[in-house]
Amino acid sequence: DVKVTQSSRYLVKRTGEKVFLECVQDMDHENMFWYRQDPGLGLRLIYFSYDVKMKEKGDIPEGYSVSREKKERFSLILESASTNQTSMYLCASSFFGELFFGEGSRLTVL
Amino acid sequence: AQTVTQSQPEMSVQEAETVTLSCTYDTSESDYYLFWYKQPPSRQMILVIRQEAYKQQNATENRFSVNFQKAAKSFSLKISDSQLGDAAMYFCAYKDGSEKLVFGKGTKLTVNP
Repeated sequence: DVKVTQSSRYLVKRTGEKVFLECVQDMDHENMFWYRQDPGLGLRLIYFSYDVKMKEKGDIPEGYSVSREKKERFSLILESASTNQTSMYLCASSFFGELFFGEGSRLTVL
Repeated sequence: AQTVTQSQPEMSVQEAETVTLSCTYDTSESDYYLFWYKQPPSRQMILVIRQEAYKQQNATENRFSVNFQKAAKSFSLKISDSQLGDAAMYFCAYKDGSEKLVFGKGTKLTVNP
């Protein structure tokens, strides 16, 4: 079975903290994605990566960075968390256009 | 830029009945893919059904089927014989030559017993 694992289901951080959200896929997929999900706004793409060390900005990259040092792992980094980054973060990998999602990481920034 | 519009933020249906979720999209491309994803409460999102734009036949997966109207840029999802487990957020999504999917804002489906 396809598996995308996000390291933390729930996180609470303080404003200004550096936050790492980790995602691992076991399917050898080239493409990986980070989406942000907010009520009434749907899913918005933050970054995606099409290969190791390769990345491309999505629609809302401001305040975020990513790292992909190994094919199976794609990390989302909030350099200095702010309250407006409180949200659900979804990681996904893709194969022939189909996305496979992790369970999500709900981040609260106080 | 391509956009996906789901005009129904919420829908409800009685168990065993049929419900249709609407989706329209905007694109100038002729070759693309459309998807419906389901996100049950507190569970991960999964693919329900996909449609290739070059195929005239509407996709079907068991109780789920689509009505794909390419000229009208419409892609609705029909759920037949609704079950309690169908209660979820449903997202319509579009993909062309890029690997990136564009999602609609979602429709929350409630299934009443």
